[in-house]
Amino acid sequence: DAGVIQSPRHEVTEMGQEVTLRCKPISGHDYLFWYRQTMMRGLELLIYFNNNVPIDDSGMPEDRFSAKMPNASFSTLKIQPSEPRDSAVYFCASSATGLISNEQFFGPGTRLTVL
Amino acid sequence: GNSVTQMEGPVTLSEEAFLTINCTYTATGYPSLFWYVQYPGEGLQLLLKATKADDKGSNKGFEATYRKETTSFHLEKGSVQVSDSAVYFCALSDYSGGGADGLTFGKGTHLIIQP
Repeated sequence: DAGVIQSPRHEVTEMGQEVTLRCKPISGHDYLFWYRQTMMRGLELLIYFNNNVPIDDSGMPEDRFSAKMPNASFSTLKIQPSEPRDSAVYFCASSATGLISNEQFFGPGTRLTVL
Repeated sequence: GNSVTQMEGPVTLSEEAFLTINCTYTATGYPSLFWYVQYPGEGLQLLLKATKADDKGSNKGFEATYRKETTSFHLEKGSVQVSDSAVYFCALSDYSGGGADGLTFGKGTHLIIQP
């Protein structure tokens, strides 16, 4: 099993530019989560999907952030325009209905730096 | 709302020392509890989990017992190794019914093991 795949692993961009982060969940998983990790705020849930439908986006910081899941094997998190305070590590995770404990499997993360 | 509180580090120990990382939680329901570990530059890996009161999760010599009466899930290991150096996150999932929900994480504890 390939696990959760994220790309790119590192992204450096300038303020005002559009940034797109990508995630491929584990095959067969029907839940997909986006988290952000910063020193100040720790790990925060941004949004999650079930069967490609957004269920809870209350953690999305502002309108500059958007996420989509066009099919069961792909999701994107977009920031437009990016700002220096968006610098963080963004993690994607997936899970499956029927996992009693709601165990989530994390990707390696995308380290975003906005200059 | 849900919250997780864990001791903040860094925690520095000598090899073969006994480890305890405290974790307490607040939840509206009956959560599942997790410990995740993050090695430098990597994503989060599930270390152990427990889904009901008095359950003991264990893996790689680490243990944690779900204590409902004290709302705690402390992580312990009898003899740590240099390779255990990492950041440890306590987390909860407050969802029942076979589905999934976002995880609520503690701030993380940086563990440093010296030879």
